[in-house]
Parts: sequence; C-alpha cells; structure tokens
Amino acid sequence: EVQMVESGGGLVQPGGSLRLSCAASGFTLNSHWMSWVRQAPGKGLEWVANIGPDGSQKTYADSLKGRLTISRDNAKNSLNLQMNSLRAEDTAVYYCVRQHVGAKTVFDYWGQGTLVTISS
Amino acid sequence: DIQMTQSPSSLSASVGDRVTITCRASQSISTHLSWYRQKLGKAPELLIYAASSLQSGVPSRFSGSGSGTDFTLTISCLQPEDFATYYCQQSYSDPTFGPGTKVDIK
Repeated sequence: EVQMVESGGGLVQPGGSLRLSCAASGFTLNSHWMSWVRQAPGKGLEWVANIGPDGSQKTYADSLKGRLTISRDNAKNSLNLQMNSLRAEDTAVYYCVRQHVGAKTVFDYWGQGTLVTISS
Repeated sequence: DIQMTQSPSSLSASVGDRVTITCRASQSISTHLSWYRQKLGKAPELLIYAASSLQSGVPSRFSGSGSGTDFTLTISCLQPEDFATYYCQQSYSDPTFGPGTKVDIK
C-alpha cells in the first residue's frame, strides 16, 4: 500500500524555521517526482515545491522561492522541506504528495498532512 | 502563472443526481488537467488526469472532458461519499489549482 506520513509540523513564531519530513512506503521512491502541497485553513490547494527522482532537479513556487529547500533521501525513503523566515500566511496543512509516473505534475497519492501554525 | 477558475463555487444535489463542474484555464493547457475530490478533513484524492483518464480504482461514475481552456468533470450518479469539494489542477506549467467547488446535500 502506498503511504506517505508527514511529521515536523507545529507552532512556530514569525521569522522562525521548521523542517518537515515525509516517510514514504509501499512504492519505489526513486522512481517518482515528489511534491509538497499546502492548504491554508478553510482555503484551497497551493503547490509549494517538487523534486526529481534523484534529487538533482528542484522547482519552487515563485511566491516561496528563497525561503524553502526541498530534499530527499531515497535510501531512507524520505522527503524533507526546510522552511525559513516563516510568516503568518505560511500557516497551513502541508501535504507530502507523490507524482504520477509518466503524467507531468499529476498528484496521485497524498499523505494525511501536517499542520504548521505561524503565530506569536 | 496560469490561473484556474471553477464554476459553480458550490452546488446542492441529491444522491443519484448527475452533477457537472466546469474548470477554465487562463490560457491553453492542452489536456494537462486533473481533477481531485477532497472529503472534509481528509487529503485530496486523484480522480481524473490528462483531462479524461480515469485514475486506477476510481469509480466509473466519474468522467472528464475538455481541452485547451475549458474542461468539465461529470459525476453520473452522485453517491453519499461524493459530497465533498472538487478541485481542478493544471500541469502544463508550474501546477496551479482551481478554487474548488463544494458539493453538498440538497
């Protein structure tokens, strides 16, 4: 069974940093692009960043570029998102998402999400 | 960025109804369009990709059509588990989602 389990969310003060992690199982991680997608409370979905199968290709949403670093460790079946200079508007549930093989930026499996709250 | 819009923003329907949701892109995206269902408090689920391809395991009551800028998602016979919010998403460029269509019980 394909599964992604996120961790690392919590309450952080504005200007702080946070590292999210995603443990993947049930599939061959190094065959897939992986993404982070977020959803602010009561709002829609926003793609944040993605990373290629071997970690050499990374893309970030323009609105977040410079504050994020996405990484992966295929040997440990894990995906990470380092977030810096956090703002209130970064408050959201962050989903770890697998991208469909052969279909560009199609999100075929989602984790349950981890809540990040930015507040003083 | 390619902007996505959806209509209606919400609708009320009954079990067994046929429901159609429309999605429009701000520029042509060919058939690089996916649809997701998000039940309350849950993660989204992929229903349709490449505008009309049914994701494995998704019931055949879901269908998608369209190309260019205009797309539709049709649910042929609404089931209780289909009361949810539906999002379209383009994958022609950096992915963007529509604002969602909430389907609730009439």
